[in-house]
Amino acid sequence: EVQLLESGGGLIQPGGSLRLSCEASGFTFSSYAMNWVRQAPGKGLEWVSLICGGGGCTSYADSVKGRFTISRDNSKNTLFLQMNSLRAEDTAVYYCAKDLTVGGGDWFDSWGQGTLVTVSS
Amino acid sequence: SYVLTQPPSVSVAPGKTGSITCGGDNIGTKSVHWYQQKPGQAPLLVIYYDTDRPSGIPERFSGSNSGNTAILTISRVEAGDEADYYCQVWDSSSDHSVFGGGTKLTVL
Repeated sequence: EVQLLESGGGLIQPGGSLRLSCEASGFTFSSYAMNWVRQAPGKGLEWVSLICGGGGCTSYADSVKGRFTISRDNSKNTLFLQMNSLRAEDTAVYYCAKDLTVGGGDWFDSWGQGTLVTVSS
Repeated sequence: SYVLTQPPSVSVAPGKTGSITCGGDNIGTKSVHWYQQKPGQAPLLVIYYDTDRPSGIPERFSGSNSGNTAILTISRVEAGDEADYYCQVWDSSSDHSVFGGGTKLTVL
């Protein structure tokens, strides 16, 4: 059974940094692209970033490009999202989501339960 | 960037058929995927590749995609189908995934 467990969320001041983690199990982690998707309180889903299975390719939403960095450690079956220069509008539940293929660009067939990031002074 | 447009809300009586649209420029040339999200829960894939259902999703859920509109159809709607529904595509011109704004399905 695929399991994705996010951690690292919390309350952070504007301009601060936070690193989210997503520990994966139940599948061959390096064989699948992974994504971060976020959901602001009471709002819809917003795709944030993608990293392919080998880690050599990444993509970012315009809203986070240059501030967020996605990475993965395939030896530890863990996905990361380094978030810098955080803004109030980054407040959201952040989900990690497994893609269908190693290269990504498909659908998200498994999701974690999410971790809440609150950016506020 | 590519934009997907969904109606904010759809209401349907139990036992009837409900449809949720997802509009986008030439969306018929893309693969559309649909997710169901209930309050406090993570999204759940209900339709992929326009029309296919993952295992465990009832046959009452179906999809279509043509021209500028994709449609999620739920037949014989039940109270348990009440949720937010989101369409999603991959925009290869920007290498971005895109979600629609979401539709709240209310079962009357």
